[in-house]
Amino acid sequence: DQQVKQNSPSLSVQEGRISILNCDYTNSMFDYFLWYKKYPAEGPTFLISISSIKDKNEDGRFTVFLNKSAKHLSLHIVPSQPGDSAVYFCAASALQGAQKLVFGQGTRLTINP
Amino acid sequence: DADVTQTPRNRITKTGKRIMLECSQTKGHDRMYWYRQDPGLGLRLIYYSFDVKDINKGEISDGYSVSRQAQAKFSLSLESAIPNQTALYFCATSDGGLAVETQYFGPGTRLLVL
Repeated sequence: DQQVKQNSPSLSVQEGRISILNCDYTNSMFDYFLWYKKYPAEGPTFLISISSIKDKNEDGRFTVFLNKSAKHLSLHIVPSQPGDSAVYFCAASALQGAQKLVFGQGTRLTINP
Repeated sequence: DADVTQTPRNRITKTGKRIMLECSQTKGHDRMYWYRQDPGLGLRLIYYSFDVKDINKGEISDGYSVSRQAQAKFSLSLESAIPNQTALYFCATSDGGLAVETQYFGPGTRLLVL
C-alpha cells in the first residue's frame, strides 16, 4: 500500500516558468513532509520541509504547500532553472512511527532552455 | 571528503552469491538506514539502526541482513543474491534529535544480480 504517491512520473517545464510537483498521502498520522532532489549517480539531497502545523514554507525559489484536508502537498519552483532538472522525491514521517521516512515514487523534472 | 560513503559503487554478482555493501559516515550521527530504489517504486526502507546496539527491520527486509559495526559503519548483506535484488542501494544517516527527520544520503551502490 503506497502511503505517499507522486502520480506524475515526469514533468517538462520551460526555463523561467513555474514548476509544480505534486504529492498525495494517505496516512493522517504524518507530521512532517520533505522534498528531496536527486541527480544521476548521486544520492538524494534534502531540499525543503514542512510541518503539519503549517500550510506553507518558502526557501528562496522553492515553496512547499500543504493541504491537510486534501492530504496533498506540492513543491513550487519559481523561476525554474536548467540546474533544477533532477528527480524529486516527496517523503513523509510520523513522530509515532519512530520518524522513519516514507517516500513517494519520484517525479523526473526536466527544464528546457 | 563526502560525509556518507558507500562501497562498492557498482557491483555485478551471480545468483546465490553472498555480497556485502558497506556504508561509512563522518557526520557523527547515531541513526543509519539502508534503502533500495527501484524504478516506479521510489525508495523503500530495508533496515535501520538508531545506535550500535539497535537494529530494526524496515519495509522490505526479507533476503537482507545488516551489521552495525560502529557508530560510523553500517553494512548490508545479501546472503544469497537473487535477480530481483537488482537495484540501486542507498545508505543514509540522521542525528535523530530534530523533529524534522532530515536524512543524509550516500551516493548509492548499483547492484546487478545475474
